[in-house]
Amino acid sequence: SQTIHQWPATLVQPVGSPLSLECTVEGTSNPNLYWYRQAAGRGLQLLFYSVGIGQISSEVPQNLSASRPQDRQFILSSKKLLLSDSGFYLCAWSRLAERYEQYFGPGTRLTVT
Amino acid sequence: AQSVTQLGSHVSVSEGALVLLRCNYSSSVPPYLFWYVQYPNQGLQLLLKYTTGATLVKGINGFEAEFKKSETSFHLTKPSAHMSDAAEYFCAVSEGRNTDKLIFGTGTRLQVFP
Repeated sequence: SQTIHQWPATLVQPVGSPLSLECTVEGTSNPNLYWYRQAAGRGLQLLFYSVGIGQISSEVPQNLSASRPQDRQFILSSKKLLLSDSGFYLCAWSRLAERYEQYFGPGTRLTVT
Repeated sequence: AQSVTQLGSHVSVSEGALVLLRCNYSSSVPPYLFWYVQYPNQGLQLLLKYTTGATLVKGINGFEAEFKKSETSFHLTKPSAHMSDAAEYFCAVSEGRNTDKLIFGTGTRLQVFP
């Protein structure tokens, strides 16, 4: 069966510090991968998605970037965090043949202080 | 452009009462529709989905939803609420199978009182 992992589970970082959040998927190959941010009362905002290694699509201009160094690994990064980067970050995956059905990881709670 | 509207950011029901969470969508093509549930500090779990075929779909935990094209709605219901149903619920839409994106509503928080 497929599983999706995210770490860390929680993170408190000062403004201006770098960020690296990691997501890995097991039990499938060539998945589509997604990063979402969830802010209170605003639902889920799609940040990035990837259909293959090195292929990243950005949905909104922002302080964040994403990379996919391996087939089942997706990394969310920032060089300098802003207060507005605080939120709950969710990684998701989908099968190539059923791209519309996404499966979510447990999330990372990021607090920028 | 696609959009999803969930009416009511908070819904409160008594245990044993009917649960009704509303979702309306806009889409230029026949949509695929989803309901997800999120428990505190956890990821989203798929409750049910409509892609094609029967418009009344059943999901996990006794939930069901009906796709009504004429009303552009996909409301989520459960006949009898349980305390464990307290969570946040998200409706989502995609433009069929040839898309990489889901568009989510802003969510409805369900409270269940004893």
